[in-house]
Amino acid sequence: AQSVTQLGSHVSVSEGALVLLRCNYSSSVPPYLFWYVQYPNQGLQLLLKYTTGATLVKGINGFEAEFKKSETSFHLTKPSAHMSDAAEYFCAVTKAAGNKLTFGGGTRVLVKP
Amino acid sequence: DSGVTQTPKHLITATGQRVTLRCSPRSGDLSVYWYQQSLDQGLQFLIQYYNGEERAKGNILERFSAQQFPDLHSELNLSSLELGDSALYFCASGREVNYGYTFGSGTRLTVV
Repeated sequence: AQSVTQLGSHVSVSEGALVLLRCNYSSSVPPYLFWYVQYPNQGLQLLLKYTTGATLVKGINGFEAEFKKSETSFHLTKPSAHMSDAAEYFCAVTKAAGNKLTFGGGTRVLVKP
Repeated sequence: DSGVTQTPKHLITATGQRVTLRCSPRSGDLSVYWYQQSLDQGLQFLIQYYNGEERAKGNILERFSAQQFPDLHSELNLSSLELGDSALYFCASGREVNYGYTFGSGTRLTVV
């Protein structure tokens, strides 16, 4: 069975500071990894995904994530936080195309002016 | 607009009642996934349909059922509702060849 652990249910960053959200996964097969963002009262929006190829993945809104197999991690970063980045972020894993995604518990990001 | 349409957006009903949530997938997507999001349980996978057939089942209660129709829209039926069923219910759709999927904006169910 696959699982995802997001370290820290809440993260507070200052505007302009680095955003780092941690995600570790467990999977018996090569995983496919995702980050989604959920703004208040909205559905989940795909930020980026890793399937194969380059392990550093760039997404929307200036976010990127790096797949590190040896560390079973897929941490999400953004060099400079913006007020609009305040949202909840979810890491997810699946083992094959079309399969269900298993989500982590989410990390709520607060951006301080 | 993600292309995945969920109706209604909000639903308030009493305990013991039955409700139906509807989802229209993005054009061309054959798979529909249902998720429940609550504060204490997070995002829980309920069930997946692919082209009308049940593909995978998750933590779906026996009081809950779903189906996908020939036009590919899907309905999630929740019966004998309890206070603890209050949650956001998301539908997502996807294609077999893609990884991941697209979410709708959800139905917020409140059971009183």
